[in-house]
Amino acid sequence: EVQLVQSGAEVKKPGESLKISCKGSGYTFTSYWIGWVRQMPGKGLEWMGIIYPGDSDTRYSPSFQGQVTISADKSISTAYLQWSSLKASDTAMYYCARKTGRVGFGGSMDVWGQGTTVTVSS
Amino acid sequence: QSALTQPRSVSGSPGQSVTISCTGTSSDVGSYNYVSWYQQHPGKAPKVMIYDVSKRPSGVPDRFSGSKSGNTASLTISGLQAEDEADYYCCSYAGIYTLEVFGGGTKLTVL
Repeated sequence: EVQLVQSGAEVKKPGESLKISCKGSGYTFTSYWIGWVRQMPGKGLEWMGIIYPGDSDTRYSPSFQGQVTISADKSISTAYLQWSSLKASDTAMYYCARKTGRVGFGGSMDVWGQGTTVTVSS
Repeated sequence: QSALTQPRSVSGSPGQSVTISCTGTSSDVGSYNYVSWYQQHPGKAPKVMIYDVSKRPSGVPDRFSGSKSGNTASLTISGLQAEDEADYYCCSYAGIYTLEVFGGGTKLTVL
């Protein structure tokens, strides 16, 4: 079964760092892009960025460039989303998703992780 | 403000058809045939229903269809069923700098 399993919920204080993970299984992890999507409480989906684990090619939405870092460790089929200094406004659900097709050539996010809730509060 | 504009809500009775619009610009929806639609039930992860404007992944009922005209993409759900009640989001490729953008989402209520 193809699946993405994300790390568990996090509660952090403003200014702290955080790295959440997304582990793929059931498919060739290095052959598909992995994207990250934010959903703030009661709000819509926001596309954050994407990485190709095969060569770590990473692209960011302009809204998230410089705010987060996306990485991957292909040896353990895991992608990451990290923050160096969290803010209260980072409180949200974060989803990882597998993208079919190449960036800029269509496809979709066909497999999603279960989501990781991040709460940032003093 | 979301890059793509969707109606906040639509509704329909069981068996009816509804259409959800997704309006972008000539920089995204109007330039690329790379619009996808996602269904999200409360507390669940999104699920792709349509990709590349009108392609349907295996397992998605053929009651779901997509189309595009100019800068506006549409998702049509025919033969509405109670389980179709959910939030729906469109998403479009928007070029090499912006990459992908979502719409603000539409809440579908089955009356």
